[in-house]
Amino acid sequence: GIQVEQSPPDLILQEGANSTLRCNFSDSVNNLQWFHQNPWGQLINLFYIPSGTKQNGRLSATTVATERYSLLYISSSQTTDSGVYFCAVERRTGTASKLTFGTGTRLQVTL
Amino acid sequence: KAGVTQTPRYLIKTRGQQVTLSCSPISGHRSVSWYQQTPGQGLQFLFEYFSETQRNKGNFPGRFSGRQFSNSRSEMNVSTLELGDSALYLCASRAWNDGYEPFGYTFGSGTRLTVV
Repeated sequence: GIQVEQSPPDLILQEGANSTLRCNFSDSVNNLQWFHQNPWGQLINLFYIPSGTKQNGRLSATTVATERYSLLYISSSQTTDSGVYFCAVERRTGTASKLTFGTGTRLQVTL
Repeated sequence: KAGVTQTPRYLIKTRGQQVTLSCSPISGHRSVSWYQQTPGQGLQFLFEYFSETQRNKGNFPGRFSGRQFSNSRSEMNVSTLELGDSALYLCASRAWNDGYEPFGYTFGSGTRLTVV
């Protein structure tokens, strides 16, 4: 099956710093999503981004499908950005679909 | 618009018992998927349902089963629980447009199952 790798696995930032999280995938995909898992376990959708660039406030994401990678940018980080960030890719076979998740990047933002 | 609702939030069961978890998708979403999250295996796909039909199934033993009702609510059942079934179980729903193209997945808060 498709492999999804995220880097770095862990990241510690001071509040106000910027960061880039990377997601590489091994095969062509129909779609890609970035999620933030909060301390209570819920996966919060950040971006649904099969290709191109999207921005939402201090966060932006770029997916280059032809080169099989996606980047998540966090600018002016805040302590509330702490948590685990997951990249998930979707491959559809006919009407069947599923998400394959990476192992995540654990981000800690300190004061 | 209410989000994806999963019940119960926490559950403690004994080895050998069975458990049923419930998921109510966002209104209008006909697709429901289930995922298991463990520290060792990460997030893994269990099932996908669309309009009461199972369209996809992950690589889990037959003890894991699910179904979807006509109102799109879904349940998953795990029989003969094992210690390794302790996990966070997440449900997601999604909408599809008239052109049969999907929108992104929205996840619920999960059910944390502990097997003792």
